Amino acid sequence: GAVVSQHPSRVICKSGTSVKIECRSLDFQATTMFWYRQFPKQSLMLMATSNEGSKATYEQGVEKDKFLINHASLTLSTLTVTSAHPEDSSFYICSAEGRGGTDTQYFGPGTRLTVL
Amino acid sequence: GENVEQHPSTLSVQEGDSAVIKCTYSDSASNYFPWYKQELGKRPQLIIDIRSNVGEKKDQRIAVTLNKTAKHFSLHITETQPEDSAVYFCAAKTGGFKTIFGAGTRLFVKA
Repeated sequence: GAVVSQHPSRVICKSGTSVKIECRSLDFQATTMFWYRQFPKQSLMLMATSNEGSKATYEQGVEKDKFLINHASLTLSTLTVTSAHPEDSSFYICSAEGRGGTDTQYFGPGTRLTVL
Repeated sequence: GENVEQHPSTLSVQEGDSAVIKCTYSDSASNYFPWYKQELGKRPQLIIDIRSNVGEKKDQRIAVTLNKTAKHFSLHITETQPEDSAVYFCAAKTGGFKTIFGAGTRLFVKA
C-alpha cells in the first residue's frame, strides 16, 4: 500500500513553454502533498506544501507564479512549471503524507525535466 | 530556523561491517524521525522511522536510536551488503508539521 505515482517520468521541452507534472496517490487519500526539487547529488529541497482544496504554501525563495500547484482532489496534485528556462532543469519529486495522519511521506518516482 | 544536520556526507565500508549515520535537529518540538534510502535515479524509500516517545527501534539489520535531550538520532546498519549502497536521508518532522531533510549520506559498501 501507500503507492504514489508521478507522470511524466521524463520531459524535454523548449525554453518558454510550460510543463505540467501530475502526482497521484493510488491507494490512499492524501490530504497533504509535497513538491520537492532535487539537484544532482544533493538533498530534497521542499518547494511547496499542497493541501486539498486550498492554496499551496510555498517555501521562501520559490516563485509561486512560476511553479503553479493545484491540489484538486484527495488523490491528485499537479505542478506546472510556467515559461520554463534551462535553469529550471531538475529532478522534481512529489510526496503524499501517510494515511490517517501517520506523518510518513511516500514519494513518487520523480520527473526529470530538461529545458533546452 | 529549523535545521537537520547529517554526517558523514560520504561513508565507505567493507561488506559485512557496520555503518552508522548521525543526524542532529534544531526544533525541540520535532516528534517524528524517518529515514529514507534513495538509489540512483529512484524515489526515496522509507526504511525505518522512530517517534519521540521511543528511544530505539530495530528492524532486522537496521536500527535507529534517538536521544531527545541531545536532539540527535542515528541510523545503524549491521552486516552491510553491496545492495545497501545508496544515499540515505534522515528527516525530522517539526512542531510546525514540516518535514526537514538532512543533506544525505552516500554509502558505499565494498564487496
